[in-house]
Amino acid sequence: GQNIDQPTEMTATEGAIVQINCTYQTSGFNGLFWYQQHAGEAPTFLSYNVLDGLEEKGRFSSFLSRSKGYSYLLLKELQMKDSASYLCAVRGNTGGFKTIFGAGTRLFVKA
Amino acid sequence: SAVISQKPSRDICQRGTSLTIQCQVDSQVTMMFWYRQQPGQSLTLIATANQGSEATYESGFVIDKFPISRPNLTFSTLTVSNMSPEDSSIYLCSVALDGYEQYFGPGTRLTVT
Repeated sequence: GQNIDQPTEMTATEGAIVQINCTYQTSGFNGLFWYQQHAGEAPTFLSYNVLDGLEEKGRFSSFLSRSKGYSYLLLKELQMKDSASYLCAVRGNTGGFKTIFGAGTRLFVKA
Repeated sequence: SAVISQKPSRDICQRGTSLTIQCQVDSQVTMMFWYRQQPGQSLTLIATANQGSEATYESGFVIDKFPISRPNLTFSTLTVSNMSPEDSSIYLCSVALDGYEQYFGPGTRLTVT
């Protein structure tokens, strides 16, 4: 089976750095994704990790450790517009490479 | 990238009726997925719809309740049959390009009364 865990909510201050953790258990692994979703909107792609290590893209970075079943999303120089839900998702390598999503972490950025 | 449109964007339906949601993609894609997102919740995969084969349904979802069509590489429909208030949700179409990045449509907000 598959299981993805991430914190329900986090609060951080504008300009700060926040790290959102994700742990997963899957029967097969073909990549880990992070998506951002603002209220009432569809999810948008942020990052993809398939190999261990850190992927950096502007203010956002994502890290993966396959042996530990662990990932984190790092957001730097937080802005008010970063207030959103952040979804960790894992793609398996069977059954049509389907992607399963975690419950999401609601991030509140305060002034 | 891929641009995905869905119709209708929202609807209010009566219990016991059916609604068909359309998903149109601006490019040919092999893998297409249908998700459901209930208020305040994350996305739950309903089924995977690949052209040329029958849809593959996830545990808890059956073809009689959620029939899917995939007539070509740019279009799919999801029907929510014999609706009940528990089916009230946002239904999202999604495609995967090159087996990698996944794009989502704007969603169809369904309310069943």
